[in-house]
Amino acid sequence: DTEVTQTPKHLVMGMTNKKSLKCEQHMGHRAMYWYKQKAKKPPELMFVYSYEKLSINESVPSRFSPECPNSSLLNLHLHALQPEDSALYLCASSQGRGAGTEAFFGQGTRLTVV
Amino acid sequence: AQSVAQPEDQVNVAEGNPLTVKCTYSVSGNPYLFWYVQYPNRGLQFLLKYITGDNLVKGSYGFEAEFNKSQTSFHLKKPSALVSDSALYFCAVRDEDSNYQLIWGAGTKLIIKP
Repeated sequence: DTEVTQTPKHLVMGMTNKKSLKCEQHMGHRAMYWYKQKAKKPPELMFVYSYEKLSINESVPSRFSPECPNSSLLNLHLHALQPEDSALYLCASSQGRGAGTEAFFGQGTRLTVV
Repeated sequence: AQSVAQPEDQVNVAEGNPLTVKCTYSVSGNPYLFWYVQYPNRGLQFLLKYITGDNLVKGSYGFEAEFNKSQTSFHLKKPSALVSDSALYFCAVRDEDSNYQLIWGAGTKLIIKP
């Protein structure tokens, strides 16, 4: 099973709302990632969790708050977002550290902030 | 500084013809190179990678890529294109000291015409 599952697939939220994106993998991968992707652009790394600890935060605004409850789950909590935060949010996982390790991506959550 | 260049925004190929999507890179150490594909409204799918060894790497869906160290290139190829290959293709690189962060190319839209 090489699947990363993201829910919901689509989300529309107001600027005062609080919502969460969820990601799950059962491949035994120990690194999990959040990416943001604008249309027809490459993905931008937001956060990396390694062995359930936050390893990388790419200077992401605090209105995005990641959480890794266990090695299979990754959440992204959203609060007071701006319209420019509308994008495809991708979760990925990889076996662990190592420059030659490929990541497996979920299908993404299409987020629209109104 | 590390970088990846995909010099063509779009590549058009007739079905049944061979296809090439170009990628050149710049890293300070040994490169670890990846190709991903993204179908409309979907996440990214891993196609293939080069770590070391044979310069010709075979991947999913009949794709292959050739690593050329002297030309710092990693072009994606397929002998006979299918209409279903139409998608957005991303090349990415890490150097040997980077565990998580990928440097992405801008992407190339591949259109296969029947």
